[in-house]
Amino acid sequence: KAGVTQTPRYLIKTRGQQVTLSCSPISGHRSVSWYQQTPGQGLQFLFEYFSETQRNKGNFPGRFSGRQFSNSRSEMNVSTLELGDSALYLCASSLLLGFSVDTQYFGPGTRLTVL
Amino acid sequence: SQQGEEDPQALSIQEGENATMNCSYKTSINNLQWYRQNSGRGLVHLILIRSNEREKHSGRLRVTLDTSKKSSSLLITASRAADTASYFCATDREAGGTSYGKLTFGQGTILTVHP
Repeated sequence: KAGVTQTPRYLIKTRGQQVTLSCSPISGHRSVSWYQQTPGQGLQFLFEYFSETQRNKGNFPGRFSGRQFSNSRSEMNVSTLELGDSALYLCASSLLLGFSVDTQYFGPGTRLTVL
Repeated sequence: SQQGEEDPQALSIQEGENATMNCSYKTSINNLQWYRQNSGRGLVHLILIRSNEREKHSGRLRVTLDTSKKSSSLLITASRAADTASYFCATDREAGGTSYGKLTFGQGTILTVHP
């Protein structure tokens, strides 16, 4: 099976712009989670989607949003970019067999730089 | 907030030596997972241990879990230069119960294996 793919891999934007990142989960995986990784804050959970519904959201401002499509592909959007949004954005997919968080399979990430 | 705390923050060893990393967490869990990350890339899942398990092996990896102490350890035996990476523990629960799709990561241990 193909792994989790994320596009684009690298992105450079300027403050005030908006950006959309895309994630294609492993075939058959219906849960997609997003994380932000920075040197200062480490890995922080953004949100999780399952069957096109956002079921969980981390402590991020409303500028961060996402959605999931019927084929389980997911996008996240960041509007009005700030310098502090520079980070590695990671997407992960999971089978979610039970109520606990099962193994998550991560994509290679999108490196966003805000100038 | 970081649920897991890894110790040590950095570890430097020679090829062939064993490497031990520890993780402590705060709330009860369903399972605990260990991931590896090579130099700013995506996370690779190493092993998942459930709360009713005490020890698990996978190749050169050995993970232990002590739920009474809320701690876990990852042992890499006969380390290789290719094991050089950051290692993270992640838990699936937080205060208030299971959190959909959310893994809570520690700050990680940076392992350097010298040839």
